[in-house]
Amino acid sequence: NAGVIQTPRHKVTGKGQEATLWCEPISGHSAVFWYRQTIVQGLEFLTYFRNQAPIDDSGMPKERFSAQMPNQSHSTLKIQSTQPQDSAVYLCASSLDWGVNTLYFGAGTRLSVL
Amino acid sequence: GQQVQQSPASLVLQEGENAELQCNFSTSLNSMQWFYQRPGGSLVSLFYNPSGTKHSGRLTSTTVIKERRSSLHISSSQTTDSGTYLCALDITNAYKVIFGKGTHLHVLP
Repeated sequence: NAGVIQTPRHKVTGKGQEATLWCEPISGHSAVFWYRQTIVQGLEFLTYFRNQAPIDDSGMPKERFSAQMPNQSHSTLKIQSTQPQDSAVYLCASSLDWGVNTLYFGAGTRLSVL
Repeated sequence: GQQVQQSPASLVLQEGENAELQCNFSTSLNSMQWFYQRPGGSLVSLFYNPSGTKHSGRLTSTTVIKERRSSLHISSSQTTDSGTYLCALDITNAYKVIFGKGTHLHVLP
């Protein structure tokens, strides 16, 4: 069990460019979460998938952020027209199911928007 | 208002001292978890503790749902305990897990 895998570990983009972040949840886990972590805001919930279906994206900035889970083995978070305020560590987590199990986090992707 | 509040925000201990970290919440929940994060590192689950008391080595977690609080006790602290401790709530009737801002612990040798 390799745990939750996130790639890339670091990404640097210029303002206005697109960034795509990848997450491979633990095999057999049906719940996948995306969070954003900054020093000021702490850990902010972005979105949640259950059995690949988007369940709650209430934390996603609507205009430029989108998340998908095309199959059970990976999820992507895409940020269009990145802005400096998007700079953060983006964390993906998975669990066996929602509500009753421990969350397992990936190492995160540090996004820096210049 | 903020649904999860952790205290203290930061704590400095001398090695060997004990620590009591608090997490208070203002909403009903399905479960409570405690996580540890080393500076620059990812989150590692310490306890999944929806209610009652759980022990793991020098760590003890106690959650009292009706009082809407959970605590993490660290006994005989070590320098390797330094980092951030976060509590997370799995909120009833909402498909999300929300986190407190964390307690930043620094244990001096």
